[in-house]
Amino acid sequence: SAVISQKPSRDICQRGTSLTIQCQVDSQVTMMFWYRQQPGQSLTLIATANQGSEATYESGFVIDKFPISRPNLTFSTLTVSNMSPEDSSIYLCSVDGTGGTGELFFGEGSRLTVL
Amino acid sequence: ILNVEQSPQSLHVQEGDSTNFTCSFPSSNFYALHWYRWETAKSPEALFVMTLNGDEKKKGRISATLNTKEGYSYLYIKGSQPEDSATYLCAFRSGYSTLTFGKGTMLLVSP
Repeated sequence: SAVISQKPSRDICQRGTSLTIQCQVDSQVTMMFWYRQQPGQSLTLIATANQGSEATYESGFVIDKFPISRPNLTFSTLTVSNMSPEDSSIYLCSVDGTGGTGELFFGEGSRLTVL
Repeated sequence: ILNVEQSPQSLHVQEGDSTNFTCSFPSSNFYALHWYRWETAKSPEALFVMTLNGDEKKKGRISATLNTKEGYSYLYIKGSQPEDSATYLCAFRSGYSTLTFGKGTMLLVSP
């Protein structure tokens, strides 16, 4: 298993500002995943953060809007840039479980509201 | 684009009732089907990872079945308790993709 700490847990932000979400894992992991859940929608993968290389973004997500850092094997940040109300979502970071089961372990999420 | 559908969208039952939800997914290139429970203000928690057609898994009062040929999975909760109140997510992985999640079924169990 993995214990994942995320912060902030929630925030209210003004349109046009940027916010950085931090994710700390209690063990070294190769890949960390960033997900978003907009209201009434499914969890959607934004990008995969690999240590030592650039993040891999899914279709519809771009680095300028969601820059990601991965400075070491236990930590990652996701920035939501130039926010609009459509960015109001729960953002989750996750990692693969060990043992090859493929299950994901998640942080508790960061609930952002953009006014 | 992979389509994962969950039904019902929400469900309200009384304590002691048994209930079940459905997850449908593409039947081609199947690799794995995941079920997660997501309680409010907590992390989503993995319940089951299922890979074999006909597989049935059980954890306490919760069980799940898998039919990869027709592309569906059922999650059953026997004797629902208020602490079972949560959103239940299924997620599908094909041989080529990352996990694709459904929108979830929100369960509320009243005492």
